Amino acid sequence: ELKVEQNPLFLSMQEGKNYTIYCNYSTTSDRLYWYRQDPGKSLESLFVLLSNGAVKQEGRLMASLDTKARLSTLHITAAVHDLSATYFCAAVSSGTYKYIFGTGTRLKVLA
Amino acid sequence: DTEVTQTPKHLVMGMTNKKSLKCEQHMGHRAMYWYKQKAKKPPELMFVYSYEKLSINESVPSRFSPECPNSSLLNLHLHALQPEDSALYLCASSQEPAGTYEQYFGPGTRLTVT
Repeated sequence: ELKVEQNPLFLSMQEGKNYTIYCNYSTTSDRLYWYRQDPGKSLESLFVLLSNGAVKQEGRLMASLDTKARLSTLHITAAVHDLSATYFCAAVSSGTYKYIFGTGTRLKVLA
Repeated sequence: DTEVTQTPKHLVMGMTNKKSLKCEQHMGHRAMYWYKQKAKKPPELMFVYSYEKLSINESVPSRFSPECPNSSLLNLHLHALQPEDSALYLCASSQEPAGTYEQYFGPGTRLTVT
């Protein structure tokens, strides 16, 4: 059974600093997805990582995928307050329709 | 149009009530999903519809009854709910029922059971 874990669960960081969120998954996944969720809101798609070695960047966020290590990272560069949110990764069991979400990382960027 | 809509946005219901949640997409997607999300937790998959047929039921109690009247519409019928069913209910759709396709999420329905 596919399990997805994220760490850290909670991250408080100063503006201008860099940090990385890690997403580990237990079995082969067809894709790896990253989402952002603001309090009381729905999920906003950030990145879709399609294959081993994939790297995608949008603004201060960069996501990468290592399928051999079953690891994805979300790197935050020079954090700003607007990035405060909860970030989820999600993987999909090969051959199924089940998207399994990680535990989530609550990010708080302090001014 | 890459939008998934959900109504109502908020719902308060008693344990003896019957209500329905509605989800709609006009992207031609053939897979639709219901998720339940409790506060500070990740979304949990409840149901998956593939080409208007129920393909996955994640052992959801029968007080939740999904329905897919057509390829654009997904309903979740609620009956005799418990207070622990209070949560954010999210609908999503994807182009095809496979993990290789991105999911698009609706804004959610915040359900409170009293």
